[in-house]
Parts: sequence; C-alpha cells; structure tokens
Amino acid sequence: QQQVKQSPQSLIVQKGGIPIINCAYENTAFDYFPWYQQFPGKGPALLIAIRPDVSEKKEGRFTISFNKSAKQFSLHIMDSQPGDSATYFCAARWGNEKLTFGTGTRLTIIP
Amino acid sequence: NAGVMQNPRHLVRRRGQEARLRCSPMKGHSHVYWYRQLPEEGLKFMVYLQKENIIDESGMPKERFSAEFPKEGPSILRIQQVVRGDSAAYFCASSPTGVSGNTIYFGEGSWLTVV
Repeated sequence: QQQVKQSPQSLIVQKGGIPIINCAYENTAFDYFPWYQQFPGKGPALLIAIRPDVSEKKEGRFTISFNKSAKQFSLHIMDSQPGDSATYFCAARWGNEKLTFGTGTRLTIIP
Repeated sequence: NAGVMQNPRHLVRRRGQEARLRCSPMKGHSHVYWYRQLPEEGLKFMVYLQKENIIDESGMPKERFSAEFPKEGPSILRIQQVVRGDSAAYFCASSPTGVSGNTIYFGEGSWLTVV
C-alpha cells in the first residue's frame, strides 16, 4: 500500500516533443506528490509538486496532472530539450513522514 | 543559503572496514532522511530522524547499519564491516518541522565503493 508505481522505465523523445511519465498509488493518505529530476552523479532535485486538492499545476515547461479518483498523476514536459535528459522520479508522502519513490524513468531527448 | 551538505562525496573502503557518512541539514531543518540508491535503481528509504530521535528505521538493514542525529552536529550514517553489496550512493535529505507536506531537499550524495 505504500508503493508508488512509475512508468515507463525509459523514454526517448525527439526535441520539442512532450514526454509523459505516469505514476499510480494506493495509499489515499498521501497528501503531497513531488517530482524529482536527477542527473548522473548528482542528488535528486525537486522539480515540481502538487497536492491532491489541485488537478493540474504548471511551472515553466513542466506540468503535473493529478487524478484523485484514479489515484494517478503524471508529469508532462513541454517543448522538451536535450538538457532535460535525466532520470525522473515521482514520489508521495503523507504528513511529515518519509517520501516513497517510484522506480524512476530515464528520459532521453534526442536532437 | 547552503543546501543539504553531505561528506565525504566519495569514499572507498575495503571489505570489513567501517564507513561513516555525514549530513548537515539545511538551516532550520530538524528532520533528516537517509536514502540508498543502487546503480540503475531508484531511491530506497533507510531511516528518518529528528534531533536525538529515530522516528522510522524500517528501511535500515538489521545488522551493521546505524544512524544518529545528535543535538549538536551532523547526522551520521554508520556502516560497520562493509561488504561489496554496500557499494551505493547514499543520499541525505532534510525538511523543516511542523506543517504537513513540507518539501524535502536532497544533498548531492555520498558514493561508497567497497573494494
């Protein structure tokens, strides 16, 4: 029940395309859903986050869509660039408890 | 405006030695989390600490691993008698007290290699 399932495992998109990464969860107590971006040899960096009372959140080229009834959320990257090539992790948390992470998506943007 | 500081960034230990990883949380943060990342894998929770207290250690191996977050000084993750399987990146993260849903910020990680 504490799991967050993430797909796809890897994704290749042409520059300018819109990669979409999906996550699903079971625990309805989760109340905070962040996405992290990780480059090789670096720590995860917070990209964008959403709470379940909001269905969509945009920050720059990054958008989270949230479907509370389906217990799913997704990350969309508009006008993707080669510099967006990284591993993306979704996560979920309730209260001040630990973050539970998805398994990660390795995104490659080809020129 | 320092972030979460981890040291050492890279550590090489021979099998059977001890590894000590240190983490200084962001200023004003009193919650610390340790995660482990094996090559090509996701982040696995290890332990959650507040000052002088272990809140959740459900992800810690039962033997050889310990963590502390003293009243003064950094949080320490200690691995005794290291084995090759301990080779991984260890990430520390911190968040402030109080409000539910506070952002968790990660450090740059400590890469442990056991030879």
